[in-house]
Amino acid sequence: ETGVTQTPRHLVMGMTNKKSLKCEQHLGHNAMYWYKQSAKKPLELMFVYSLEERVENNSVPSRFSPECPNSSHLFLHLHTLQPEDSALYLCASSQQRNQPQHFGDGTRLSIL
Amino acid sequence: EDQVTQSPEALRLQEGESSSLNCSYTVSGLRGLFWYRQDPGKGPEFLFTLYSAGEEKEKERLKATLTKKESFLHITAPKPEDSATYLCAVSLEDYKLSFGAGTTVTVRA
Repeated sequence: ETGVTQTPRHLVMGMTNKKSLKCEQHLGHNAMYWYKQSAKKPLELMFVYSLEERVENNSVPSRFSPECPNSSHLFLHLHTLQPEDSALYLCASSQQRNQPQHFGDGTRLSIL
Repeated sequence: EDQVTQSPEALRLQEGESSSLNCSYTVSGLRGLFWYRQDPGKGPEFLFTLYSAGEEKEKERLKATLTKKESFLHITAPKPEDSATYLCAVSLEDYKLSFGAGTTVTVRA
């Protein structure tokens, strides 16, 4: 398998639930990213990991918690989310931080 | 404040009708400009990187150009399969990508 894979593709959860999004890249890249994409709005950068170290936390609420156990895997742990958190969450990776980013197909998250 | 603006917001073309998309930016310390294509239900797909004014890149019916203040994505003789949302992003001094809102292109047969 190649590229960037995200699971699950769709997720519906209540505001009190806890869930995790998973991202796996098979490109041998050193940097990984989480983005939020809402309708009619530009992609918003959430977190950046470089060589498994978090180098960017873009003022994201603490109800979103990233984890990068190794250079191939990235998780986004979710808890007590709000309805406005419903969006498409995209994972990306790049060889270095100034190189083109390659995206997965995202997880469509709906908060009830 | 760094800003990336794409126009038009939507573009409807007849098959074979060439056109251009615009990405204008007001940023300091530009490290590069990226074009992506996004199909419904999919993640963005990388198309081009441009690093300096005057640079041009081509891929099939697409050609991207860069000046000091804007980039154009030219679509020559488009086909229905070119229908997608095209995203522009600029890489800043800290290597963060700042995205525009995109241009949705629809090509009718």
